[in-house]
Amino acid sequence: DAGVTQSPTHLIKTRGQQVTLRCSPKSGHDTVSWYQQALGQGPQFIFQYYEEEERQRGNFPDRFSGHQFPNYSSELNVNALLLGDSALYLCASSVWGTNEKLFFGSGTQLSVL
Amino acid sequence: QKEVEQDPGPLSVPEGAIVSLNCTYSNSAFQYFMWYRQYSRKGPELLMYTYSSGNKEDGRFTAQVDKSSKYISLFIRDSQPSDSATYLCAMSSRGSQGNLIFGKGTKLSVKP
Repeated sequence: DAGVTQSPTHLIKTRGQQVTLRCSPKSGHDTVSWYQQALGQGPQFIFQYYEEEERQRGNFPDRFSGHQFPNYSSELNVNALLLGDSALYLCASSVWGTNEKLFFGSGTQLSVL
Repeated sequence: QKEVEQDPGPLSVPEGAIVSLNCTYSNSAFQYFMWYRQYSRKGPELLMYTYSSGNKEDGRFTAQVDKSSKYISLFIRDSQPSDSATYLCAMSSRGSQGNLIFGKGTKLSVKP
């Protein structure tokens, strides 16, 4: 049973560029949440998708956007990259309406130069 | 004041020791309390999940929640070098649906 898978594993971009990160949820899960984890910090909630709609959003600017596909996979897009966007981006999946048990992927390490 | 406070450590203990990890929080609406373990360059792994107050035990791990004091703990008995990782507390309120508030994490090192 595959867990949460994320791609790519690592990514290097320059300031001002745009990036797309991808996530496939754990089998049987229909909800995807995205988190940003800066070095030495706990993960911070970006947003959550269910039924192809953004259901909740954390305190992140509009440069951060997402999408969920009919097969429940999801993308995180970040436009106009800033140096401060360098972080580990984590995808977590769950089953909508059950509880807060999230299962995380290994993340995408984004470096902005 | 941050919603969730967690001492980042680092914490170093000898193999076999009992480890105590703690978090305090300020939001009385939190009802779900979790502990995650995160190895270097990996995603967090759910260790313990507790709803409301009380204790929960799973093998060498015990989670305690004291809502009256807004304080949660994770105890690790007979600690092993493989327990060396960063431990993150997380919590959420009813209906938050995936919006977890995490502590900074405590880095634990168990020496053989």
